[in-house]
Amino acid sequence: EDQVTQSPEALRLQEGESSSLNCSYTVSGLRGLFWYRQDPGKGPEFLFTLYSAGEEKEKERLKATLTKKESFLHITAPKPEDSATYLCAVQAKGGNQFYFGTGTSLTVIP
Amino acid sequence: DAGITQSPRHKVTETGTPVTLRCHQTENHRYMYWYRQDPGHGLRLIHYSYGVKDTDKGEVSDGYSVSRSKTEDFLLTLESATSSQTSVYFCAISDVGAGTDTQYFGPGTRLTVL
Repeated sequence: EDQVTQSPEALRLQEGESSSLNCSYTVSGLRGLFWYRQDPGKGPEFLFTLYSAGEEKEKERLKATLTKKESFLHITAPKPEDSATYLCAVQAKGGNQFYFGTGTSLTVIP
Repeated sequence: DAGITQSPRHKVTETGTPVTLRCHQTENHRYMYWYRQDPGHGLRLIHYSYGVKDTDKGEVSDGYSVSRSKTEDFLLTLESATSSQTSVYFCAISDVGAGTDTQYFGPGTRLTVL
């Protein structure tokens, strides 16, 4: 069964304190792994798509990496505006469905 | 931002009444999805569509039906709303098979069933 687990559930960081969010997955052949940011009361906002182990993508203070079993979202020197819930999702090869984790709620304290 | 709108944005209804939520896109994407989001469960797929009049069930489809008569519109209907269907509903679109399967989400509809 395709499954996605994110950890930690919640993370509090001081401004400038770098850290990583984890997304572990089991899927019968990975077509893609997706990271989203979600602010309260809004829809998920697309951040990255990763397709194969070893792939990395960066955007401002965020960097996503992928292995055969998990993905990390590294946040370097975070700012308060990075506070949000970060969601991970996977899509299996040959499938049209996406499976989401329950997210990591990130709070960055000034 | 992807051109996705949802209506209504908020709705309060009573148990047993029918409810229809609308998703409209201006991106001409082939795939459209309906999800619900509940605390502790994350986003769960209700139904999806891979073309006009082509739909399929997701993992939590009981009590829901969908219709897609035009590329740009995807309707979600609760035939007889129950309190367990109180949730935030999100529509998403993607162009699966066009080089990227990335989903883009609408702003959501908050539904309360009393």
